[in-house]
Parts: sequence; C-alpha cells; structure tokens
Amino acid sequence: AQSVAQPEDQVNVAEGNPLTVKCTYSVSGNPYLFWYVQYPNRGLQFLLKYITGDNLVKGSYGFEAEFNKSQTSFHLKKPSALVSDSALYFCAVRAYNYGQNFVFGPGTRLSVLP
Amino acid sequence: GAVVSQHPSWVICKSGTSVKIECRSLDFQATTMFWYRQFPKQSLMLMATSNEGSKATYEQGVEKDKFLINHASLTLSTLTVTSAHPEDSSFYICSAGKQGAGLRDNEQFFGPGTRLTVL
Repeated sequence: AQSVAQPEDQVNVAEGNPLTVKCTYSVSGNPYLFWYVQYPNRGLQFLLKYITGDNLVKGSYGFEAEFNKSQTSFHLKKPSALVSDSALYFCAVRAYNYGQNFVFGPGTRLSVLP
Repeated sequence: GAVVSQHPSWVICKSGTSVKIECRSLDFQATTMFWYRQFPKQSLMLMATSNEGSKATYEQGVEKDKFLINHASLTLSTLTVTSAHPEDSSFYICSAGKQGAGLRDNEQFFGPGTRLTVL
C-alpha cells in the first residue's frame, strides 16, 4: 500500500527566509513523487516531480525538492520565501506501474509572513 | 498542452436534485480519469477511476449508485451526484493521465475543481 505523510499541518516562515515543507512516503517499488500547490477554491497546480535521475529536482516558482531514498523523504524547499507562496501544499506518490492513482498527503498550509 | 477543464466551476442545488459535473481533457486523450473529493482543509480523497468505454472503479466506501461516472469518450468524463444532500457539499476535482512515451506521461493533470453546495 502507498502512503504519504506530511508531518506539519502548518508552516510559518518570514518573507525572504528559506522554507521547507516535509514529506515522507511509503510505496512498493520505485516511487514517482510529486508536489502540488493549491490556492483557495482552486485546483491543484503542479510544482515538480521526481521520476528518476538526479535526487535534486527543480520545479516551478523557484521550488526544489530532494529525493532521499534511504529516508524515504521528498522535502520541498525554496531558498527565499515570498508572501505569494502562501498556500496549501500537497505531496503525492504514485507507484511505478502506470495507471495507478496518486495517493496524496494530508497537506501542509504554508504561511509566509511579510 | 495537457489542460483539463471542469464545468461548472461552482453549482448550488436543492437537496434531492441531481448535479452533473464534466471533466474534459482539452488537448490530449485520456483513457483514464480520476475523480477526487476534497472537504475543507483536508486532502484529496480518490473517489473513483474512470476508464473510457468501461465501468468506473470505485474506492471503498463510495456509493456507485449515488456518484455515477460516465467516460464516454477519450476526452470527457462526467460525474453525476444523484439525489444530492447537504453532506455531499464538497470540492470535486478530476484529473487525467496522459498516455505515451514522453516525460510527462507519469503525471496527472488536474482540473480546476467544482464547488458543489447542496442546500
């Protein structure tokens, strides 16, 4: 069975400071890992994904994430947070076999304070 | 490419009526679409997997007779909430997978969501 944990319900960070949103996963076989962002009353917007290759993945809006197989983690990071980054962030995992659905983490609300 | 639309974006209906939500892949073919439900401040929960030309696969606990899914073409899936009740009020999001051999073929592309309010 696949599962995703996001241990923090809420992350607060000051504008200009680095931010980290944590994600750990459990999946059989090779994982496909994703980060999505959701603004109020909107659908999900894709940020980045890890399929294979370099463990450090760079995505949209200056975000990046590092895949750590030994720790089964895929933390989302950004060197300098913006107030406009305030939103709900979801980590998701998908098993290697195409056609299987995503399993989403519970979400982490990021608040960037001016 | 890989845009998914949903219609309507929001709907208010009376208890006991049925509501149909459309999910379209605008610039690609999607043999599989997924329907999710999201309650306020909660994560997305998969309701069902919609397969073109066959019956949908429902997740445990989801009433298939209440949430009717039709995937009549490679670009359209519909979710009909039958005899809606206030507890069905939620944000419904669809997604579509893009088949092929390209790098984006492991992604799902999400629609903008439909806010359903049942009075």
